[in-house]
Amino acid sequence: GAGVSQSPRYKVAKRGQDVALRCDPISGHVSLFWYQQALGQGPEFLTYFQNEAQLDKSGLPSDRFFAERPEGSVSTLKIQRTQQEDSAVYLCASSLPPGSTDTQYFGPGTRLTVL
Amino acid sequence: AQKITQTQPGMFVQEKEAVTLDCTYDTSDPSYGLFWYKQPSSGEMIFLIYQGSYDQQNATEGRYSLNFQKARKSANLVISASQLGDSAMYFCAMRESSYAGNMLTFGGGTRLMVKP
Repeated sequence: GAGVSQSPRYKVAKRGQDVALRCDPISGHVSLFWYQQALGQGPEFLTYFQNEAQLDKSGLPSDRFFAERPEGSVSTLKIQRTQQEDSAVYLCASSLPPGSTDTQYFGPGTRLTVL
Repeated sequence: AQKITQTQPGMFVQEKEAVTLDCTYDTSDPSYGLFWYKQPSSGEMIFLIYQGSYDQQNATEGRYSLNFQKARKSANLVISASQLGDSAMYFCAMRESSYAGNMLTFGGGTRLMVKP
């Protein structure tokens, strides 16, 4: 079956521009996660949805970051007024509801470069 | 304190040999899960293996096995019969049940390079 897909794969933005990153989770996965991965580091948690409800947004670094999942499937991570420090790979992952294993399956990521 | 520590920034292994990638973790949660992911240069995080804190046996998945030592809080990944395609970054991650969202906390990763 299809895995997690993300678009665009690459995004170059000028400082101050707004960007929107899309994630299509695996069909039937109610849990969706966004992570930020800086160059040479491990991913860091940004936010978590269960269906359409955003249950945890403690990892969002500033109020410029906003995520939504209005119909409980596709999710969009929006970054307003991008800054150079926002340059990173943004990874989306999905999983079945919390349970025994809850393995998160990741998409290919969106590499954001802010000039 | 770091929750997940991977002390080996880079490792070399000869093709067809076994290699162990180290991971130590820190949690006071009695129920947790440990994961290993592979990240090739293409960027996608590929799930390899999972170990639950209450699992009695070490997890195995094909050429991957997890050497779980609970008292020492270590969860080392063993790759047997290394292949050139195993060259990638490897990340250890933990999920603590006290977090309702089941988010993963990752280590800094180990870059594995397989020599022909």
